[in-house]
Amino acid sequence: DTGVSQDPRHKITKRGQNVTFRCDPISEHNRLYWYRQTLGQGPEFLTYFQNEAQLEKSRLLSDRFSAERPKGSFSTLEIQRTEQGDSAMYLCASSFGRVNTEAFFGQGTRLTVV
Amino acid sequence: GENVEQHPSTLSVQEGDSAVIKCTYSDSASNYFPWYKQELGKRPQLIIDIRSNVGEKKDQRIAVTLNKTAKHFSLHITETQPEDSAVYFCAATNQAGTALIFGKGTTLSVSS
Repeated sequence: DTGVSQDPRHKITKRGQNVTFRCDPISEHNRLYWYRQTLGQGPEFLTYFQNEAQLEKSRLLSDRFSAERPKGSFSTLEIQRTEQGDSAMYLCASSFGRVNTEAFFGQGTRLTVV
Repeated sequence: GENVEQHPSTLSVQEGDSAVIKCTYSDSASNYFPWYKQELGKRPQLIIDIRSNVGEKKDQRIAVTLNKTAKHFSLHITETQPEDSAVYFCAATNQAGTALIFGKGTTLSVSS
């Protein structure tokens, strides 16, 4: 197990198109997070899964964003009708056990909306 | 909701000097405070963390202090080296205790 992996690493899409990103957490990590990071900013929390249950969504997450984690393993983040403001690095992180344990980040998917 | 403020946004030091980065948080229920280091083009990686039942923690050249009354915590790096150059993020657990809320980051530059 080499850590949290995300696919694709880069995505360029035209405004209005839908995109889907995948995150494979570290095996047996029950907690999975999606964050968004723009240049010069810290990671911004989007949503959280405990096993397959999506337990929290940020107010920042508009209706165009949806995330799933079927069977509590990998997760997908879909953005519908992309806008230029969606351009950012989308980071996935996972952790095991309680919330106050180390969260391991993936390399991220860089989205560019043109 | 939880808000984490981080200062300074940039910090330049000479090799061998100490560096201090400070963060404040808004939610008194926060109980976990990690620090992440992010090198250019790479993923954030945990360098040290502290829980609310501890006031200070040290790991070689890195230490973190927590003042729960004042709701602030700090990262101290001693004997800085050029490879310490990176962006450092502090974080605190949100009100629900379900996720980490990050500060905006400090770009540390260590010149030799």
